[in-house]
Amino acid sequence: DADVTQTPRNRITKTGKRIMLECSQTKGHDRMYWYRQDPGLGLRLIYYSFDVKDINKGEISDGYSVSRQAQAKFSLSLESAIPNQTALYFCATGTSYNEQFFGPGTRLTVL
Amino acid sequence: SQQGEEDPQALSIQEGENATMNCSYKTSINNLQWYRQNSGRGLVHLILIRSNEREKHSGRLRVTLDTSKKSSSLLITASRAADTASYFCATDAWQGAQKLVFGQGTRLTINP
Repeated sequence: DADVTQTPRNRITKTGKRIMLECSQTKGHDRMYWYRQDPGLGLRLIYYSFDVKDINKGEISDGYSVSRQAQAKFSLSLESAIPNQTALYFCATGTSYNEQFFGPGTRLTVL
Repeated sequence: SQQGEEDPQALSIQEGENATMNCSYKTSINNLQWYRQNSGRGLVHLILIRSNEREKHSGRLRVTLDTSKKSSSLLITASRAADTASYFCATDAWQGAQKLVFGQGTRLTINP
């Protein structure tokens, strides 16, 4: 969905490196989310934000941090990447009915 | 923990046939949604059904919801090769923060 963009689309990094994944949206939604997807598993929620001043942990927030720089921008950081953080990462925005719109994903590989 | 569980995990049918996928969940919900994911890409919202609705249609899609059984089904009629994808149900729990919990998905393959 071109309304939600993620950068980079692919990233290979080494254990211990700091990584930032960025998400921007033009849908005008207040709600934004970060998920990770692993093979054979559904999406798991890392962090979510209902407005610029509201940040909440999801079910797997350990090892991650986020920053909501503006209504349209929500970034995810891995302070010290480890191999089991290798996954597909998705950003999403959401309506008040919780209908969500996903970005194209970032494929992260930690060696 | 997973709220929704899809069944079957994988489904392979011939083009033109109907495909039915099921989702079961554990807690009371505000709504249930279905999403499609083409390989390695972002999820696309298909349909939302509210807890007070029993059936909803969108094009070739039909979704049913049985809150007494905590289950939902997604029917795709007259399947096409382009329907090949993974399908996820997601529930918006009644209590607590409004966030979706996704199932593990059904991998649907449409054979030409």
